[in-house]
Amino acid sequence: DSGVTQTPKHLITATGQRVTLRCSPRSGDLSVYWYQQSLDQGLQFLIHYYNGEERAKGNILERFSAQQFPDLHSELNLSSLELGDSALYFCASSVGRELFFGEGSRLTVL
Amino acid sequence: TQLLEQSPQFLSIQEGENLTVYCNSSSVFSSLQWYRQEPGEGPVLLVTVVTGGEVKKLKRLTFQFGDARKDSSLHITAAQPGDTGLYLCALGSGNTGKLIFGQGTTLQVKP
Repeated sequence: DSGVTQTPKHLITATGQRVTLRCSPRSGDLSVYWYQQSLDQGLQFLIHYYNGEERAKGNILERFSAQQFPDLHSELNLSSLELGDSALYFCASSVGRELFFGEGSRLTVL
Repeated sequence: TQLLEQSPQFLSIQEGENLTVYCNSSSVFSSLQWYRQEPGEGPVLLVTVVTGGEVKKLKRLTFQFGDARKDSSLHITAAQPGDTGLYLCALGSGNTGKLIFGQGTTLQVKP
């Protein structure tokens, strides 16, 4: 158990819809990272938040957005979903360079 | 853009065999991490290597960082079925968790 909690574990939705994925980092960790894992692209960095502020952006689509709340939990919002957005979405928190990943949210877009 | 290439992509071996997987970068990196991911779970950090030529051991796993800091290898001795999983190498960016991952090596160890 990494201490990072993600919900939901599985989500099935239709194209054009919007979903929100939630992440609670390990107790005391101020950083939250979001990663997307798909079969063809592998594990890709999306975005990093530190203590409520966006710190870095990776290959995150404009249809996706994230935020980190005062209690340090984070949400990743995915809108206008397309078939290609089907993937595992991981949240991780860290101390320095070591990442602790949650179990992921598996999104299926039909 | 710095890229990481891992080889082989897939490896299926019998219990007790030895194996080596490789991670190569297009340029010099400051640090490299190895993660292992089991089905249905997130990646778990195995080791971080930072110094050229560095060797780290974790039970039956030996990690090596190339002298030129452009490549790394993971050697597993006497593989066990419990070693089955996806092995990922990742480049760090500064002292943060923003990582660039390789595509991974899927290892299957058959009893």
